[in-house]
Amino acid sequence: QVQLQQSGPGLVKPSQTVSLTCTVSGVSISSGSHHWSWIRQHPGKGLEWIGYIYSKGDTYYNPSLKSRVTISLDTSKNQFSLILDSVTAADTALYFCAKGSTWLDPWGQGSLVTVSS
Amino acid sequence: EIVLTQSPGTLSLSPGERATLSCRASQSVDSKFLAWYQQKPGQAPRLLIYGASNRATGIPDRISGSGSGTDFTLSISRLEPEDFAVYYCEQYGSSPWTFGQGTKVEI
Repeated sequence: QVQLQQSGPGLVKPSQTVSLTCTVSGVSISSGSHHWSWIRQHPGKGLEWIGYIYSKGDTYYNPSLKSRVTISLDTSKNQFSLILDSVTAADTALYFCAKGSTWLDPWGQGSLVTVSS
Repeated sequence: EIVLTQSPGTLSLSPGERATLSCRASQSVDSKFLAWYQQKPGQAPRLLIYGASNRATGIPDRISGSGSGTDFTLSISRLEPEDFAVYYCEQYGSSPWTFGQGTKVEI
């Protein structure tokens, strides 16, 4: 059974960088044809797909965030990460990791990121 | 990008009733590349349906998906107490993937 456990800071100052990690259990992130995604949900709002990384390292990002986003793999720890640069209040959201690049299943528990000085 | 519009915004029903949720796309969704998720307060979304009509593992058969092109439907034949939640559709046929704004099913 695949499970995803997220970690990362809750509070970030404007213009700084936020880094979130998703630790995967139950499958090797570098094996097979797996994809690993990040999605966010603004408070009280719907969902926004951020991007995904393929098990071989290829990435694809939402064009609206592409200039500020990096998704990477750490195969030694069976983790994948999201880095978002130059954050503003508009990046305050609940961030989720998930398995898949089309339909998403399963999801991590979510990490609330608040951008505030 | 493809905009997904879900209706109604809120559906007020009772246990045992049938729920019909709509997801309309601003342009045709390729090859039925549409999924449905359920989200309860304080939880991550859970996959219900992929490929417009395929149930995910463990999803009961009273939950079904249908549709093609620009019009998709999620149906719950007999609402159970655990079904009261927010439901989102997602299209993954045209980049960037996008989600609808959600339909809340409440008692």
